[in-house]
Amino acid sequence: GAVVSQHPSWVICKSGTSVKIECRSLDFQATTMFWYRQFPKQSLMLMATSNEGSKATYEQGVEKDKFLINHASLTLSTLTVTSAHPEDSSFYICSAWTGVNTGELFFGEGSRLTVL
Amino acid sequence: GIQVEQSPPDLILQEGANSTLRCNFSDSVNNLQWFHQNPWGQLINLFYIPSGTKQNGRLSATTVATERYSLLYISSSQTTDSGVYFCAVEGSGGYQKVTFGTGTKLQVIP
Repeated sequence: GAVVSQHPSWVICKSGTSVKIECRSLDFQATTMFWYRQFPKQSLMLMATSNEGSKATYEQGVEKDKFLINHASLTLSTLTVTSAHPEDSSFYICSAWTGVNTGELFFGEGSRLTVL
Repeated sequence: GIQVEQSPPDLILQEGANSTLRCNFSDSVNNLQWFHQNPWGQLINLFYIPSGTKQNGRLSATTVATERYSLLYISSSQTTDSGVYFCAVEGSGGYQKVTFGTGTKLQVIP
C-alpha cells in the first residue's frame, strides 16, 4: 500500500518553543493531506486540511496561528506548533488520499509531542 | 456533521475467540475504512470498504451503506490483535472530510 512517512516520531520541547512536524507521501503525490490530533484514550480529531499551493482549512476551534500548516509540494506537508505549551502535548498524525480527491486514506506513523 | 458511533467501546476476549465490532454512521458516506491502532499509536489500514464484503485472513468486513452501518469480524483472535479499532467515514456532502468513530478497545488474553 501507499506509504506516508512522518517525522519526528517523538519530540520533547520546552514551553514557549516551536516544533515542526513533517509529513511526506513517499510513493504518490498528495494534493491534499489531513492533520489529526489524538489525546490519550480518545479518538482522532481532524485539525485541518492541508492543500498543496493554497491555505489550509482549519476545523472549528483550532487556532490557525497556533498550528501553522504549509503544503509546499505534492509530497510534503508540515505542521508547526508555535509557542508550545503543556496543553499542546498530544499525538499528532497526518494522512493523505491516494486518489486525486478521495480514495483510501493512509496515515503516517504519528508524532508524540511532550511540552515541558 | 456526520456522527460515527462504534460498539462495544471495550472488549476482552480469550485467545481463539471470535468477535464482531460495529460502526454506525448518521448519514450517507462515500468511503469507509477500518483501522487498527497498535499500542505504539500507528494506524494500520485493515479495509477500505464503502460497500459490500471483504476478507483478509482472519478478518473480514461488511458495509451496508443503505442501512448506515459496517461490521468488522475477527475470527480466532490472537494477542497481537489487541489494540483499538477505528472506523472512519467520508461523508457524501462534498467536503471530503474523514470522521473517525469512537473506537473499540480490544484486549485479547492468552
